[in-house]
Amino acid sequence: AQRVTQPEKLLSVFKGAPVELKCNYSYSGSPELFWYVQYSRQRLQLLLRHISRESIKGFTADLNKGETSFHLKKPFAQEEDSAMYYCALSGGSGANSKLTFGKGITLSVRP
Amino acid sequence: KAGVTQTPRYLIKTRGQQVTLSCSPISGHRSVSWYQQTPGQGLQFLFEYFSETQRNKGNFPGRFSGRQFSNSRSEMNVSTLELGDSALYLCASSLDRVGELFFGEGSRLTVL
Repeated sequence: AQRVTQPEKLLSVFKGAPVELKCNYSYSGSPELFWYVQYSRQRLQLLLRHISRESIKGFTADLNKGETSFHLKKPFAQEEDSAMYYCALSGGSGANSKLTFGKGITLSVRP
Repeated sequence: KAGVTQTPRYLIKTRGQQVTLSCSPISGHRSVSWYQQTPGQGLQFLFEYFSETQRNKGNFPGRFSGRQFSNSRSEMNVSTLELGDSALYLCASSLDRVGELFFGEGSRLTVL
């Protein structure tokens, strides 16, 4: 079974502070991991995926298979980063390719 | 390019009724997925359709069903509504492989 755990519901930081949003997963095969973001009054949208290994809006995430984690990090938070963030896992293509989401974390960046 | 469109945006039903929700994917996208979002359970996968075939299904009772048409538009149906079915139902489309999902704004269902 696939499972995604985001242990915190809320993270509040000041502008300029570092941010780490935690995500742990459970999956027996080779997963694909994603971070989705929902800004206020906007649609849920893809932020980044681990296979692209790129930085989006200053955010990065490294897949750690040993610790089964995919934490999202940003060295200096901005007010516009305030949003709901969801970690998600896909078990690969084919019949098991459904996306499993964590319950999400609200990031609040204060001025 | 137009985004994923879901209709209706809001609806109120009573217990025992049924409801049909519609989703128009981004042009060219052949995969449509449906998710239920609630405060307690978060986002839960309902099912995914590709080329009119259900490719994957989540752990929901048989009251939840869906279909996809030849133009990739999709509908989901919930029969014999229960209070616990009150939720935001999100549709997402993708070109092919699941993971790069483009979400609609959702249909908010309230069951009284």
